[in-house]
Amino acid sequence: GESVGLHLPTLSVQEGDNSIINCAYSNSASDYFIWYKQESGKGPQFIIDIRSNMDKRQGQRVTVLLNKTVKHLSLQIAATQPGDSAVYFCAENTGGGNKLTFGTGTQLKVEL
Amino acid sequence: DSGVTQTPKHLITATGQRVTLRCSPRSGDLSVYWYQQSLDQGLQFLIHYYNGEERAKGNILERFSAQQFPDLHSELNLSSLELGDSALYFCASSDIPYNEQFFGPGTRLTVL
Repeated sequence: GESVGLHLPTLSVQEGDNSIINCAYSNSASDYFIWYKQESGKGPQFIIDIRSNMDKRQGQRVTVLLNKTVKHLSLQIAATQPGDSAVYFCAENTGGGNKLTFGTGTQLKVEL
Repeated sequence: DSGVTQTPKHLITATGQRVTLRCSPRSGDLSVYWYQQSLDQGLQFLIHYYNGEERAKGNILERFSAQQFPDLHSELNLSSLELGDSALYFCASSDIPYNEQFFGPGTRLTVL
């Protein structure tokens, strides 16, 4: 029978291009946000985080932007590589640091 | 390798049965979190323990329970299993509740 599952939005980019993955969060009281990468068959892997007192944070090839006014988070990956192919989740920290609420995820496909 | 270990990697059981999933956090981490990842619900927070005490509960069914032992490892007990409990179960750990969570490789539970 047909399996029912989450329909993940997919972003396809060419190797070497920049990728931008977007996320809308729900809780205006959330003050800590994280991006995770999940490769097939593995657990989520931390990429970068940002606290609500910041608008932008940069890591190695990645940048996270936070717009609290519209409750929007984005992840920018520079010079996307085949190894970046994965599902990317944003997560917001709610409940005073006790739990993460994850978005549905975006599938990033890097084409050679 | 995140440093978080989970056993078993795979578990196949029948409806109505009970299983125990085990998690060892990274060395030095006092917080342990459990998450369920299913096809139709995505990644869902279940429960958080800090230094042996329950700190927060998420979407955890009454048939599920967890505990954290003095050596800081944690177990998630799932009873009266139903087909819909089939999912990936992840454990994550952090040093303190508000910091980065490191995820284990997960336990894939299949209920037949």
